[in-house]
Amino acid sequence: QQPVQSPQAVILREGEDAVINCSSSKALYSVHWYRQKHGEAPIFLMILLKGGEQKGHDKISASFNEKKQQSSLYLTASQLSYSGTYFCGTEGTGANNLFFGTGTRLTVIP
Amino acid sequence: DTAVSQTPKYLVTQMGNDKSIKCEQNLGHDTMYWYKQDSKKFLKIMFSYNNKELIINETVPNRFSPKSPDKAHLNLHINSLELGDSAVYFCASSQGTLQETQYFGPGTRLLVL
Repeated sequence: QQPVQSPQAVILREGEDAVINCSSSKALYSVHWYRQKHGEAPIFLMILLKGGEQKGHDKISASFNEKKQQSSLYLTASQLSYSGTYFCGTEGTGANNLFFGTGTRLTVIP
Repeated sequence: DTAVSQTPKYLVTQMGNDKSIKCEQNLGHDTMYWYKQDSKKFLKIMFSYNNKELIINETVPNRFSPKSPDKAHLNLHINSLELGDSAVYFCASSQGTLQETQYFGPGTRLLVL
């Protein structure tokens, strides 16, 4: 039930864009995105609910394709502060639980 | 003001001991969670309480027992600690259900020797 994230790691230069994907083998009700910096707690980015949502704030946005059971996180014009590990968490339809992917380690260099 | 706090921050103990981790939230949230993050950074939900009622109880050894004295507190008691219990344990809270934003505590780093 654990979603699969890709890529596992990515290195960007400041100002470049990145896409992180999250795929599930189960029908999804919601997808959560978090960022975690080394030694710190995960920080919420956004939740997307069933219905094919797109959300975004500042230069970080996400889409949720319910039919394909996948979500993508888009980071545009990356900043050094975007570095960290990004996790998606998926909630299955009719399931009262949240399963996290293995994470995507994003490093932004000057 | 700290929104979700955990104590202790670090916990080093011997195998076989019993230990507790405390969590408190001052956000007025109804739901609280315990997560385990292992050395490979894999994050897994363990328990969730809504208004002191257990709503998520994942496949976790029964050596782990959550206790919620009121909706602002969710403590985790671990009996007979094993080496594999070494991990970072995060407490989190949200206003309502899983579809709400979760706010995480700073984590408790548990090392079992």
